[in-house]
Formats: sequence, structure tokens, C-alpha cells
Amino acid sequence: DTGVSQDPRHKITKRGQNVTFRCDPISEHNRLYWYRQTLGQGPEFLTYFQNEAQLEKSRLLSDRFSAERPKGSFSTLEIQRTEQGDSAMYLCAASRQPNSPLHFGNGTRLTVT
Amino acid sequence: DQQVKQNSPSLSVQEGRISILNCDYTNSMFDYFLWYKKYPAEGPTFLISISSIKDKNEDGRFTVFLNKSAKHLSLHIVPSQPGDSAVYFCAARANYGGSQGNLIFGKGTKLSVKP
Repeated sequence: DTGVSQDPRHKITKRGQNVTFRCDPISEHNRLYWYRQTLGQGPEFLTYFQNEAQLEKSRLLSDRFSAERPKGSFSTLEIQRTEQGDSAMYLCAASRQPNSPLHFGNGTRLTVT
Repeated sequence: DQQVKQNSPSLSVQEGRISILNCDYTNSMFDYFLWYKKYPAEGPTFLISISSIKDKNEDGRFTVFLNKSAKHLSLHIVPSQPGDSAVYFCAARANYGGSQGNLIFGKGTKLSVKP
């Protein structure tokens, strides 16, 4: 158990709908990351928070994507007007210190039909 | 352009033998390297890491070797067990003058350990 919980585990939605995912790390993990993984690829970085501050966003994160970490604890990732290309596993990861490994949750698998 | 490359999509090994998984990188600013293991329907699980100031790190059956001049690292699993069957990801992080980059992952190598 990595201490990183993600909800829901699976989400099926129709194209054009909005979806929101949630990530709950343990309290000591002040750094929180969102990654996306598609079939046959490794996880790709989307965005990163240190406490409540969003410090970096990937070019992969189009303006339809938004992430928040309002109180420096849990985080949400919202995708607006979903497209079929958004179908992927969305992974949340957290770490305690700068030079420590990331600990991943089990992900949310999104299917856009 | 892939900065972290795992050129073998799959590897099959007999139980009890050594598994060697390879990883190459292109970014000379990478200074921290990690291996993750992933089972289906689960997130990646951290396995072992190595800092660029070292050339070897060992943890039980798992050893990671780093060859900075060749920009190459490898993960050795000895002895291999059927429970080691999973997808293994190599990952690397850069250090830009004290500001750390994000983890960059390879595409993974699927290891099958046959009884």
C-alpha cells in the first residue's frame, strides 16, 4: 500500500462530457503529481504540485484539463469536453522529499466512447 | 524524442536464472534513476533507485548498475521468481542547477519468468 488513493478506479463517459478524478495522498507527501499512461507507453507527466501550489504543467495538458490541490492535501483532475484521445490510465503519485521516489496510486482508467 | 529508452519490449527468463533489464538515456542532466514494477490494473510500484554519484545499488535480489559514460543502466534480478513477472519501467529525473525536473519514463519491458 503506497498510501495514495485514487477515485474512481474506472470511468466510462461519452465524448463531450466532463469528468473529475480525485487523488488522496498521505499527509506527509507534500509533492503530488499527475501522470497519464496509454497502452504500450510509460507514464507521461501532466502536472505537479508542491503543497497547494501548481508548479509545473506539461504541454500535454491542454486547456481542457485543469488540476487543483486546494488545501495541499487531496487533488482533483478535471477534463472538460472529453475526447476519445483522452482515454487512458490517469495516475496520481506523491513524494515526501525532493530526491525521493514517487509512490503511485492504482490509477483511474478513463474510457471515452 | 525519447529521453529514456527501453529497447526490449519483452524478456522471458527461466525461474532461478538472472533477469537483466536494460535502459538507455540521452539527457546528460539526469542524476537520479529509478526502476518501477507494474502489475496489470495496478499503479507502478517503486523497486530500486540509484543516484548518479554511484555506479551500483543493491537491495536483496535486485541490483541496479549505472554506466554514466555510456548513459546506460540495467536492473539485475537474481534469482528470478515467477512473481517477478510484470512490466518494468526505467525512469530518470534531471537536476537543473538545483531545480529538479520530473520523472521521465521509458516504455517498459514486460518480464515473464517461467517456472
